[in-house]
Amino acid sequence: DSGVTQTPKHLITATGQRVTLRCSPRSGDLSVYWYQQSLDQGLQFLIQYYNGEERAKGNILERFSAQQFPDLHSELNLSSLELGDSALYFCASSVDPGLLYGYTFGSGTRLTVV
Amino acid sequence: QQQVKQSPQSLIVQKGGISIINCAYENTAFDYFPWYQQFPGKGPALLIAIRPDVSEKKEGRFTISFNKSAKQFSLHIMDSQPGDSATYFCAARKGNTPLVFGKGTRLSVIA
Repeated sequence: DSGVTQTPKHLITATGQRVTLRCSPRSGDLSVYWYQQSLDQGLQFLIQYYNGEERAKGNILERFSAQQFPDLHSELNLSSLELGDSALYFCASSVDPGLLYGYTFGSGTRLTVV
Repeated sequence: QQQVKQSPQSLIVQKGGISIINCAYENTAFDYFPWYQQFPGKGPALLIAIRPDVSEKKEGRFTISFNKSAKQFSLHIMDSQPGDSATYFCAARKGNTPLVFGKGTRLSVIA
C-alpha cells in the first residue's frame, strides 16, 4: 500500500456521461497530481493542486475539472465522456512541490467509456 | 511535443543480463531526473533519481548514467531478474514544476 488511495478502481460508463474520481493523498502530503495513462501516450500530466489551490495545469481538457478539498483529498471530474477518454487515471502526492522528492502514486482508476 | 523521449518501447533480456533503457530531453533547465517502475495493476513507484551535477548514481543493481552535454540519461539494471519485469518510465522536471514522463519501456526478463 503506497498510502495514496484512489477510488473507484474500475469504472465503466457510457459516452456523454459524467464521472468523479477520488484521491486521498499520503498522510502529510500537500500536493496532489493527476495523470492520465494510455497505451500510446504514456503518462500525461493533467493538473496539480497544492494545499487546496491549483498550482499547475497540463493537457487537461475543458470537459475535465478537479479540486482539492480542505482535508486535502482531491476529485477529478470528467464530463461529456468520449470513447477516447478511456484510460488509467492516476493520482500522485508529494510533500512539497518545491523539494526534490519523488511522487507517491496510487493504484489508479481504470475508466472504460462504452 | 514529447519533452522526454524514451527508448526502446519494449525490451527482452535474459536472466542475469544487463537491461539498458535510454531517455533524451531537450529542456536544459530540467534539474531532476527520476526513474519509475510500474508493475501491472499498480501505480508507478520511484526507483532511483539523479540531479544534473552528478554523472552517475548507483543503488544496488540499478544505475543511472547522466550525460549533460548530450542531454541524455539512461537506466542500467545489472544482473536482471524475472522480478524486474515491469514497465519503466523516465521523467524530468524543472524546479517545482510537475514531472514530465517518457512513454515507458516494457521490460521482460526471461529465464
